[in-house]
Amino acid sequence: DVKVTQSSRYLVKRTGEKVFLECVQDMDHENMFWYRQDPGLGLRLIYFSYDVKMKEKGDIPEGYSVSREKKERFSLILESASTNQTSMYLCASSLYSGSYSNQPQHFGDGTRLSIL
Amino acid sequence: GQSLEQPSEVTAVEGAIVQINCTYQTSGFYGLSWYQQHDGGAPTFLSYNGLDGLEETGRFSSFLSRSDSYGYLLLQELQMKDSASYFCAALNQAGTALIFGKGTTLSVSS
Repeated sequence: DVKVTQSSRYLVKRTGEKVFLECVQDMDHENMFWYRQDPGLGLRLIYFSYDVKMKEKGDIPEGYSVSREKKERFSLILESASTNQTSMYLCASSLYSGSYSNQPQHFGDGTRLSIL
Repeated sequence: GQSLEQPSEVTAVEGAIVQINCTYQTSGFYGLSWYQQHDGGAPTFLSYNGLDGLEETGRFSSFLSRSDSYGYLLLQELQMKDSASYFCAALNQAGTALIFGKGTTLSVSS
């Protein structure tokens, strides 16, 4: 089974801090994704990556950046945390089989981040 | 742009059948997926429809009509453990990442 592991289940940080959320997958998947999930808003795509050192903006990239130095690891960075970034953050990975393919995404358990 | 609309809540009783609808507006369309998420858990893949028609996986079925820009997830013989949120999802215009609907919370009572 695919395992997507997020480094923290719960995290509390202060406004203005630089925050790192880490995600590791063990199935050699090319694609990795970061979403945030808020009540009533569903899952919104922040950034994704289809290869090492490659990244693409999703729907809500403002205030975030990402890093993918190794295939199995995808990091989400909050450059200067703000209270409106308090949310559940979900990482996912999928096998790449060409654009427009619908390989299932495998999700981690999420990191509930609180910015005080 | 891409948007997927689904009802926010559905309630049903054990043993019943429930249908969760999803209508979509997309610049390009490459199929509809469904995910289940239990409270506090990770979303998990349920099914995918690339072509029109019904796909069946045990008690769950998913249907797609591309001409109507519409799909649904059908859950039969409902069990308490089916209480969860259900999301429909479709690829973005570039075909590179999934865009999700806002989710439907299903509550199953005894």
